[in-house]
Amino acid sequence: QKEVEQNSGPLSVPEGAIASLNCTYSDRGSQSFFWYRQYSGKSPELIMSIYSNGDKEDGRFTAQLNKASQYVSLLIRDSQPSDSATYLCAVNYSGTYKYIFGTGTRLKVLA
Amino acid sequence: GAGVSQSPRYKVAKRGQDVALRCDPISGHVSLFWYQQALGQGPEFLTYFQNEAQLDKSGLPSDRFFAERPEGSVSTLKIQRTQQEDSAVYLCASSLATAWPGYEQYFGPGTRLTVT
Repeated sequence: QKEVEQNSGPLSVPEGAIASLNCTYSDRGSQSFFWYRQYSGKSPELIMSIYSNGDKEDGRFTAQLNKASQYVSLLIRDSQPSDSATYLCAVNYSGTYKYIFGTGTRLKVLA
Repeated sequence: GAGVSQSPRYKVAKRGQDVALRCDPISGHVSLFWYQQALGQGPEFLTYFQNEAQLDKSGLPSDRFFAERPEGSVSTLKIQRTQQEDSAVYLCASSLATAWPGYEQYFGPGTRLTVT
């Protein structure tokens, strides 16, 4: 079982819709969770971090964390074609400095 | 301000050659990470520095891989006797944080290594 799992997609949504991206992780002790966006041929860029159960909103982005169920999700409201990218979930491996990334979900926002 | 920079951006090496990849973190960032990213995969952790101390090198795939950050700023990842399986993008990331809850990491543009 992979330590951080994401559906590879592609996830296609129409412009203006809500895109929902999910991530599950296996390490129950993980405390830190991050979402990154990666455009093709570019390096990952940080979108959000979340550390506590519940929702965290930043502009059009909302991260949701449920440690009991070991999942973290990212909602993108009012999706734009420029949001088309691969979204990476990253989880800190408890007790270490190691960050485990999922393989990413490719999002396509259709104009 | 300036972000993380990496050089070279592209490197082609013949199998068996040694390579050195450089990372310049964001000024003042104490933490520095190296990752390897294969095509279609997420970044894989290689090693972590806090200032000049290498606190975690558990992700280095073999003893051919070596990283250093002697003055707590610029870091170099060295790969000796390169093999074809070393072909990947090598990413460097830096962070202001040094402790829990977490390290918001800012990535450089990466070095694409191709071993022929």
